[in-house]
Amino acid sequence: RKEVEQDPGPFNVPEGATVAFNCTYSNSASQSFFWYRQDCRKEPKLLMSVYSSGNEDGRFTAQLNRASQYISLLIRDSKLSDSATYLCVVTSPGGNQFYFGTGTSLTVIP
Amino acid sequence: EAGVVQSPRYKIIEKKQPVAFWCNPISGHNTLYWYRQNLGQGPELLIRYENEEAVDDSQLPKDRFSAERLKGVDSTLKIQPAELGDSAVYLCASSRDRALYGYTFGSGTRLTVV
Repeated sequence: RKEVEQDPGPFNVPEGATVAFNCTYSNSASQSFFWYRQDCRKEPKLLMSVYSSGNEDGRFTAQLNRASQYISLLIRDSKLSDSATYLCVVTSPGGNQFYFGTGTSLTVIP
Repeated sequence: EAGVVQSPRYKIIEKKQPVAFWCNPISGHNTLYWYRQNLGQGPELLIRYENEEAVDDSQLPKDRFSAERLKGVDSTLKIQPAELGDSAVYLCASSRDRALYGYTFGSGTRLTVV
């Protein structure tokens, strides 16, 4: 079983839409959680950490549900510049090993 | 602060040839990671160093892949001989200790084996 499962999409949404991505993970003792963004032919870049209490950064909201073992990313008021692949990341219990999802492709359409 | 520096950016080689990738981590970052990313997939860890010690190389195909980080700073990843299936992007990342706040990737080396 994979450490982290993620719907690859693609998600095609109009500008201004709200879109949500989910990721599930298999190890209940996973320590830390992140969302990374990867533009075409570029390296992944840290978008935000995910905390149990939920956290928000502008139009982006990340949430963690430990009981159901999933994390989510909500993007409100989508912009064309949000088009990218979004990778969820779950760490091992010790925090040393990062496990990446396959990524979810988002295209925001004018 | 300079980011993680990788070279070369692109490499095209014939199968059975050797190839090497170089990575210089962010200054002060004692942990260095080599990842491989295939098209349409997330990055997968090949090897993790803490200073000069390889503390996790369980996913490194040791028959043809080798890595070193002799002085605990920059690192080299080598493939010899390369196979067609090795075509991928090889990413290096670094962090302080356990990367509690995520870590930073270099721009990667895109390898094509023909």
